[in-house]
Amino acid sequence: QKEVEQDPGPLSVPEGAIVSLNCTYSNSAFQYFMWYRQYSRKGPELLMYTYSSGNKEDGRFTAQVDKSSKYISLFIRDSQPSDSATYLCAMKRRSSASKIIFGSGTRLSIRP
Amino acid sequence: GAGVSQSPSNKVTEKGKDVELRCDPISGHTALYWYRQSLGQGLEFLIYFQGNSAPDKSGLPSDRFSAERTGGSVSTLTIQRTQQEDSAVYLCASSLAGEDTQYFGPGTRLTVL
Repeated sequence: QKEVEQDPGPLSVPEGAIVSLNCTYSNSAFQYFMWYRQYSRKGPELLMYTYSSGNKEDGRFTAQVDKSSKYISLFIRDSQPSDSATYLCAMKRRSSASKIIFGSGTRLSIRP
Repeated sequence: GAGVSQSPSNKVTEKGKDVELRCDPISGHTALYWYRQSLGQGLEFLIYFQGNSAPDKSGLPSDRFSAERTGGSVSTLTIQRTQQEDSAVYLCASSLAGEDTQYFGPGTRLTVL
């Protein structure tokens, strides 16, 4: 079983819809949670970073962490065609020396 | 300032040949990472350099893979006797010491025929 599970999609929604992207994990030692966005033929870029349970909002993006269920989500409001990309969840343990573990990514397409 | 750069952007090679992939991290970033991304897969950690410390090579899949970092800056990932299963995008990232935020380069797309 992978430490981090993420539905690969693809997920296609109309412009303006609310998008929900999710990951589950098995290691309760994970304390830091990240979402990366990767456009085609580009490297991933950090979108959101959180270390506590609950919600963190940044513009149209909301990251949600539920440590009791080992479940994290990224919500995108008022989705735009420019949001079309692959979204990777990532997480790591508290130790600064621990590696970041990435999900396999969900490919998202926003239809105009 | 300039971001992480990688070269070449694309590399096509024949099975059995050696290849070298280059990464130029962001100036001042002491941590450097190599990842491999295969189609439909997440990022697979390969190797991690931090300053003058011994690198963490725990992710290298076989002894055909090696990496070095000269002068604490530029890094080269070498794959010897390439196999078709080595075909993937190889990503490099750098970060400041102790920071979790990694900045990725655009990757090198390796195709082994």
